Amino acid sequence: GAVVSQHPSRVICKSGTSVKIECRSLDFQATTMFWYRQFPKQSLMLMATSNEGSKATYEQGVEKDKFLINHASLTLSTLTVTSAHPEDSSFYICSAGTTANNEQFFGPGTRLTVL
Amino acid sequence: LAKTTQPISMDSYEGQEVNITCSHNNIATNDYITWYQQFPSQGPRFIIQGYKTKVTNEVASLFIPADRKSSTLSLPRVSLSDTAVYYCLVAGGGATNKLIFGTGTLLAVQP
Repeated sequence: GAVVSQHPSRVICKSGTSVKIECRSLDFQATTMFWYRQFPKQSLMLMATSNEGSKATYEQGVEKDKFLINHASLTLSTLTVTSAHPEDSSFYICSAGTTANNEQFFGPGTRLTVL
Repeated sequence: LAKTTQPISMDSYEGQEVNITCSHNNIATNDYITWYQQFPSQGPRFIIQGYKTKVTNEVASLFIPADRKSSTLSLPRVSLSDTAVYYCLVAGGGATNKLIFGTGTLLAVQP
């Protein structure tokens, strides 16, 4: 299947700093990318949907000013956690989809730890 | 989006066939049923997708009754490496539709 990568795989930062996570579709052009957050022992929670060249659509309860999403090209979406706090520590996962397929492809995830 | 209900956990032994059933009473006409597998600290991995009747691939089978209000993922002869969380999702066809994950089923395979 198609490959989606995330960078970095894990990051530790101090409270108050901003962290950028990249999601790339390596061998296909993704019409749409999705960002999820997963806390320990819990399911994935959809944060936002982003289409290339347009503003992301955020799920209810997700602060758009805190979680900045940029989808500048068909192969790259970034999630920036601004002014991160310990409660933002989580596993962040992206997925990518194209209208040509029925299957969304998920990235390996990024473990964020905020001290 | 249709809500799904699955057992929280299941236990099995190596070599057995495992069937995980998912309920989705409010499935819409254009919804497909997709199952994903997730190992700890990894992103979900696609297993199988279907619309009705039966679908089979190299790793699993998916059984969907005529009313489509439930589906059953069948894993033949599981091994220890099949220990994972399995998610049933219902969404419109196409990879650009958002997926809402339920609780999933933690399958524990023992020797």
